[in-house]
Amino acid sequence: DAKTTQPTSMDCAEGRAANLPCNHSTISGNEYVYWYRQIHSQGPQYIIHGLKNNETNEMASLIITEDRKSSTLILPHATLRDTAVYYCIVRHILLNYGGSQGNLIFGKGTKLSVKP
Amino acid sequence: EAGVTQFPSHSVIEKGQTVTLRCDPISGHDNLYWYRRVMGKEIKFLLHFVKESKQDESGMPNNRFLAERTGGTYSTLKVQPAELEDSGVYFCASSQRGRWGTMNTEAFFGQGTRLTVV
Repeated sequence: DAKTTQPTSMDCAEGRAANLPCNHSTISGNEYVYWYRQIHSQGPQYIIHGLKNNETNEMASLIITEDRKSSTLILPHATLRDTAVYYCIVRHILLNYGGSQGNLIFGKGTKLSVKP
Repeated sequence: EAGVTQFPSHSVIEKGQTVTLRCDPISGHDNLYWYRRVMGKEIKFLLHFVKESKQDESGMPNNRFLAERTGGTYSTLKVQPAELEDSGVYFCASSQRGRWGTMNTEAFFGQGTRLTVV
């Protein structure tokens, strides 16, 4: 089962910032927070990930609380093309020789609708 | 650079028939994953290859599903015999092998194969 809780849906006005919250109160020390999104009929798309520090890339920013029990994905200037289901995923990274990586456990996600 | 490609994009087969899905990962990616979404449900993990070895196949629903990755390059997922409940979208993803000291790499997904069993 998914270890995260997200609102079912959110609306955002085009050009405004979209702030998507996620609760992961049972996260452990060797688990990262990942965000993916799925635009209708396409494969999931990686957005960003983080461990405990805030992260920013060309797509979004990720703010993780100090206790790591929740996080917020921020799309700074949402466009119509950002309409999608956004998944917050806690991912266990297994480190062994060569580096094997845990699979992704998808929940129901948040359906973000960006409106003109 | 080519992304993860999956073939076919759509497949419609009759119950009891066999279907083979193919996934070509990004070149050089040792990790290859299969996921699926059945109608109305969440995306579920099926299995994980590291090169040609099955690292984790805990998500495979039953023995009608067989995944292979001979040579550690492309992978196939065969469903034999197909049942109605196998209908859904099958996704493949790949990622680079993590090096010791680095904590992760992201997984890149293909566009999926929509399987319809009638």
